[in-house]
Amino acid sequence: DTEVTQTPKHLVMGMTNKKSLKCEQHMGHRAMYWYKQKAKKPPELMFVYSYEKLSINESVPSRFSPECPNSSLLNLHLHALQPEDSALYLCASSLLGGGTDTQYFGPGTRLTVL
Amino acid sequence: GQSLEQPSEVTAVEGAIVQINCTYQTSGFYGLSWYQQHDGGAPTFLSYNALDGLEETGRFSSFLSRSDSYGYLLLQELQMKDSASYFCAVKVSGNTGKLIFGQGTTLQVKP
Repeated sequence: DTEVTQTPKHLVMGMTNKKSLKCEQHMGHRAMYWYKQKAKKPPELMFVYSYEKLSINESVPSRFSPECPNSSLLNLHLHALQPEDSALYLCASSLLGGGTDTQYFGPGTRLTVL
Repeated sequence: GQSLEQPSEVTAVEGAIVQINCTYQTSGFYGLSWYQQHDGGAPTFLSYNALDGLEETGRFSSFLSRSDSYGYLLLQELQMKDSASYFCAVKVSGNTGKLIFGQGTTLQVKP
């Protein structure tokens, strides 16, 4: 099973709303990632959790708040977002055991901020 | 800084062979990966090169020359379903698996 699942698939929110994106993997991977992707652009790394600890925050605004409740779950809490935050949010996971260390991506959540 | 360069667009016909090049300049290098992404879909892993040489996986092959900071993805016997964006990505950290992505190459396969 090489599946990463993400919910919801689509999300529309106002600038004053609070919402959360969820990501789950059951491959025993020890690293999980949040990316933001705009149309016709590459995925842009936001956060990395390694062994359930936040290891990379790519200077992401505080209106994005990641959480890793356990090794299989990753959340991204959203609050007071701006219209320019509208994008595809991708979650990925990898084994982190060296070698190929392939990142497996979930299908993404398409976020629209009104 | 860290940068990866790849062509923005490539067009080819069904059955042809196409090569997508990637040159990189990064502060760390553990390996070069290639990902495919169809419109509206998620990136999917195609190949990974950590050492110099050619890796073959079915119709797709990937090459790496670390001394030249260069790699390429070779797609053979092109099919319409190969129309997609292709990203090269350098793994720059062994502790976190962090990838730096190129800007992507849009491949259009014509009948």
